[in-house]
Amino acid sequence: GQQLNQSPQSMFIQEGEDVSMNCTSSSIFNTWLWYKQDPGEGPVLLIALYKAGELTSNGRLTAQFGITRKDSFLNISASIPSDVGIYFCAGRNYGGSQGNLIFGKGTKLSVKP
Amino acid sequence: EADIYQTPRYLVIGTGKKITLECSQTMGHDKMYWYQQDPGMELHLIHYSYGVNSTEKGDLSSESTVSRIRTEHFPLTLESARPSHTSQYLCASGGSMGYTFGSGTRLTVV
Repeated sequence: GQQLNQSPQSMFIQEGEDVSMNCTSSSIFNTWLWYKQDPGEGPVLLIALYKAGELTSNGRLTAQFGITRKDSFLNISASIPSDVGIYFCAGRNYGGSQGNLIFGKGTKLSVKP
Repeated sequence: EADIYQTPRYLVIGTGKKITLECSQTMGHDKMYWYQQDPGMELHLIHYSYGVNSTEKGDLSSESTVSRIRTEHFPLTLESARPSHTSQYLCASGGSMGYTFGSGTRLTVV
């Protein structure tokens, strides 16, 4: 089945630093999504991308839909302690997997004050 | 306000008991999903539904079962809980913008 490779697996950064994480796939996706999961909660949608090359920002977060439609990245600028959590990328290809989202394995972010 | 609700949030139960985890959504979504997740780990799809009377098994084999008698309701049942079922169970419903997740049920089987 389709798989997403998300990296890095975990990050330990200092408050104020910028963060970058990415996802790659062997298949083309029509949609890329980025979620954040706080400890003990369900994932929450941060950014949705629907067009190749699309660059979208949400506050300190910026995500891009790769031009090849096989990758996406998420950047967080000037990290703060509440950025701690697990970030999941997800992709969707309506032509395969019956339109279900395929999730990456997550990037665990730790921020030192 | 449109949302998705899971109950209970936490459940500690003895081995062999039958349990049902509840999930309800008010968004009118046809697609609903159950994921199993160990703390800090990846999401594993165990069941999904594309509408009333539709249920499918996900990528991860699970001893649980699901039903979809009403659009808004997608409960998950374990007939005989075992310690290996200890995990977090997340319910989600799918719209055009992606999935909306519930807060999860943290299940501990002792």
